[in-house]
Amino acid sequence: EIVLTQSPGTLSLSPGERATLSCRASQSVSSSYLAWYQQKPGQAPRLLIYGASSRATGIPDRFSGSGSGTDFTLTISRLEPEDFAVYYCQQYGSSSGFTFGPGTKVDIK
Amino acid sequence: QITLKESGPTLVKPTQTLTLTCTFSGFSLSTSGVGVGWIRQPPGKALEWLALIYWNDDKRYSPSLKSRLTITKDTSKNQVVLTMTNMDPVDTATYYCAHRQDDYDILTGYYRYYFDYWGQGTLVTVSS
Repeated sequence: EIVLTQSPGTLSLSPGERATLSCRASQSVSSSYLAWYQQKPGQAPRLLIYGASSRATGIPDRFSGSGSGTDFTLTISRLEPEDFAVYYCQQYGSSSGFTFGPGTKVDIK
Repeated sequence: QITLKESGPTLVKPTQTLTLTCTFSGFSLSTSGVGVGWIRQPPGKALEWLALIYWNDDKRYSPSLKSRLTITKDTSKNQVVLTMTNMDPVDTATYYCAHRQDDYDILTGYYRYYFDYWGQGTLVTVSS
């Protein structure tokens, strides 16, 4: 079973700053199987990035995804007030199904 | 417009069986490539995938919970039902259903796997 590790656990930044979130897999993952979600308190997760680097419909271009193999990154180029939330990465394995990372909380510094 | 909504009991007793229904609109589970999955989230914790059913009735389960889960679909009612047996307080969580659509990546030769539409979730508490 592939395990996802996200770092840092919490990222304290100010609006306008750049956020770099890491997702590391315990073994190599196809980029097609890697997605990122944003979740705000009391809300369902929202798909941001799929296929490691493709933005979902309606997602602003300040959000970008990159990476391959075991290391993937979600970058928010300039944080807006509405971007402070928890971010999860997700991967898929043919035998284990979907796995989510523990999440990174981006909060206001 | 795709929407999904979960329904079911808010409180179940330990050892009981939980039955949750996902009612959706904007797509059909008889369309090739479509799937509906269940994901849960204990309070303050991360997301955990539970099960997924496809248009062709192919079913996938979390290996760690497979013995307790059953997922079925009623295409005519646009519903997916998840049952979880032998409920325990650690199963207290918000349960979400979500839509998946086959998405072929011609660059890698793989299908992309993600959930693009989610229900609002329903909180289930397990307590005597």
